[in-house]
Amino acid sequence: EVQLLESGGGLVQPGGSLRLSCAASGFTFSNYALSWVRQAPGKGLEWVSGISYSGGSIHFADSVKGRFTISRDNSKNKLYLQMISLRAEDTAVYYCARNLAYSYGSNYGMDVWGQGTTVTVSS
Amino acid sequence: QSVLTQPPSASGTPGQRVTISCSGSSSNIGSDYVYWYQQLPGTAPKLLIYTNNQRPSGVPDRFSGSKSGTSASLAISGLRSEDEADYYCATWDDSLGVWVFGGGTKLTVL
Repeated sequence: EVQLLESGGGLVQPGGSLRLSCAASGFTFSNYALSWVRQAPGKGLEWVSGISYSGGSIHFADSVKGRFTISRDNSKNKLYLQMISLRAEDTAVYYCARNLAYSYGSNYGMDVWGQGTTVTVSS
Repeated sequence: QSVLTQPPSASGTPGQRVTISCSGSSSNIGSDYVYWYQQLPGTAPKLLIYTNNQRPSGVPDRFSGSKSGTSASLAISGLRSEDEADYYCATWDDSLGVWVFGGGTKLTVL
């Protein structure tokens, strides 16, 4: 069974840092691009970042550019999101999602989603 | 304000057919595939429709998608109580260089 399992969420003060992880199983991890999508409380979905199958291509939403970093370890089947300079507006459930193929861009939407991990930025 | 526009709510009675619209522009829906996601209360989004009108295995054929120009639609026929959920459309925006989502439509089964 294809599965994604996020971890690393929690309560952090404004300006703080957090690293989210996503452990994958049930598919050939290194063949697929991956994305992070977040959902603020009571709000809709927002794509945050994507990384290609090899990690050679990455992209971020303007709202997190310069503060978030995405990476992957294909030997461990893991995806990461390093978040720094966190703001209250970063409070959300963060989902890890698999893209349909090797790229996160046009034509390759997200098919499998994890259950999410909650990040709360508050003093 | 979402890049893609969806009605905030929709409703129907069991057995009815309902449609949910998603409106965009030439830089997103007009030039890329549309995806639809179902989010049941308290759960992660689930892929319902990909590349405009394809259903993943396991998704009932009661769900169908279509696209015309810069708009797309999700149709649900034979409405059931378990269809009560939030529905989101999504596509890649060539101008913004990001995936964009509609604001979501809350479907209520009366």
